[in-house]
Amino acid sequence: SAVISQKPSRDICQRGTSLTIQCQVDSQVTMMFWYRQQPGQSLTLIATANQGSEATYESGFVIDKFPISRPNLTFSTLTVSNMSPEDSSIYLCTGRVNTEAFFGQGTRLTVV
Amino acid sequence: QQQVKQSPQSLIVQKGGISIINCAYENTAFDYFPWYQQFPGKGPALLIAIRPDVSEKKEGRFTISFNKSAKQFSLHIMDSQPGDSATYFCAASKNFGNEKLTFGTGTRLTIIP
Repeated sequence: SAVISQKPSRDICQRGTSLTIQCQVDSQVTMMFWYRQQPGQSLTLIATANQGSEATYESGFVIDKFPISRPNLTFSTLTVSNMSPEDSSIYLCTGRVNTEAFFGQGTRLTVV
Repeated sequence: QQQVKQSPQSLIVQKGGISIINCAYENTAFDYFPWYQQFPGKGPALLIAIRPDVSEKKEGRFTISFNKSAKQFSLHIMDSQPGDSATYFCAASKNFGNEKLTFGTGTRLTIIP
């Protein structure tokens, strides 16, 4: 299995501020994905982080709100900008390693 | 439309029994079907995955059954234990998991003594 590490694991932030979440994979992955999971809900894809090109965003998510970086094949960041309480959620990154898709442990964000 | 429908929403099974969770998909281009187990406060952990070239895959007490013609797949947990109590998500993807995962809505499984 792969190790996908996320930082921070949790944070409490003031509304109007921004938080950058880091995702590190212990091996190279071609594509990484960022998901959001609201309490008791399923996972919703925010965007696909492509190495060497701009991220591809799903409907309802925009780059100004969720800018993503992908500087190399093992690392990506997601920033949640100008946060509001509605952004309180778990944010998860995932990548395909060898033949399977693994998740990080998630970042639990609370906006107050 | 890419959708994965999962049922039941919640399931209570007695210890030692068989837990069965079902999923159905619409997009015939899907070719990778993983199941994830998630405990409260944790990220989803990959449990088992199958590709459409086989009809069944077994790993320990966990088995995926796959019916390509019906576009359905299911997770069977044999000899269910209290430690199996968690939320289970099915998912589907194209390009053998290299593309985004589309998730089911989740099943909250409770194993009672």
